[in-house]
Amino acid sequence: EDQVTQSPEALRLQEGESSSLNCSYTVSGLRGLFWYRQDPGKGPEFLFTLYSAGEEKEKERLKATLTKKESFLHITAPKPEDSATYLCAVRAASGGSYIPTFGRGTSLIVHP
Amino acid sequence: EPEVTQTPSHQVTQMGQEVILRCVPISNHLYFYWYRQILGQKVEFLVSFYNNEISEKSEIFDDQFSVERPDGSNFTLKIRSTKLEDSAMYFCASSEGGTGSTIQYFGAGTRLSVL
Repeated sequence: EDQVTQSPEALRLQEGESSSLNCSYTVSGLRGLFWYRQDPGKGPEFLFTLYSAGEEKEKERLKATLTKKESFLHITAPKPEDSATYLCAVRAASGGSYIPTFGRGTSLIVHP
Repeated sequence: EPEVTQTPSHQVTQMGQEVILRCVPISNHLYFYWYRQILGQKVEFLVSFYNNEISEKSEIFDDQFSVERPDGSNFTLKIRSTKLEDSAMYFCASSEGGTGSTIQYFGAGTRLSVL
């Protein structure tokens, strides 16, 4: 069974304190790994998609990387407005199915 | 910027009642999805829809659930006889393509409370 595990469950940072969130996955035939940001009471907001090991994507203070077993979301010099839950989802070609599997997310709080 | 819109934002219903959750996907998208997220738990796939047919569905999507695209813009999720355990956030999403690498864009969700 495909599994997606995110760690840590929760992370508190001081403004400016860089850190990384982890998403480890066990799927066969990865077609895409997606990072989303979710604010309380809102829907997931797309951040990045990664397709192959070694790929990196950047957007402002965020950088996502991918290996064959995990992805990291690096947050450089975070600001309070980066506080949110960050979700990882994977889609794999499994018998023609592309049903995505989400992790439980990492809740990030950045203190001023 | 185009977005997926969902109505209502909050729906309260009595157990056993039927509810219809509505979504307007992004206009040039062809693939539509429903997900749910029970409070404090992960986002779970319910169903995908393309060309007026269900493409895939999860075990959660049983006979109590149905989806429809009644016109050229709306996409609906119907729950025939709601149960307490149906209480959750329901998210609609849409995408241009249907492969595993396609980006899905989510709406803000409808919070369903079953009393």
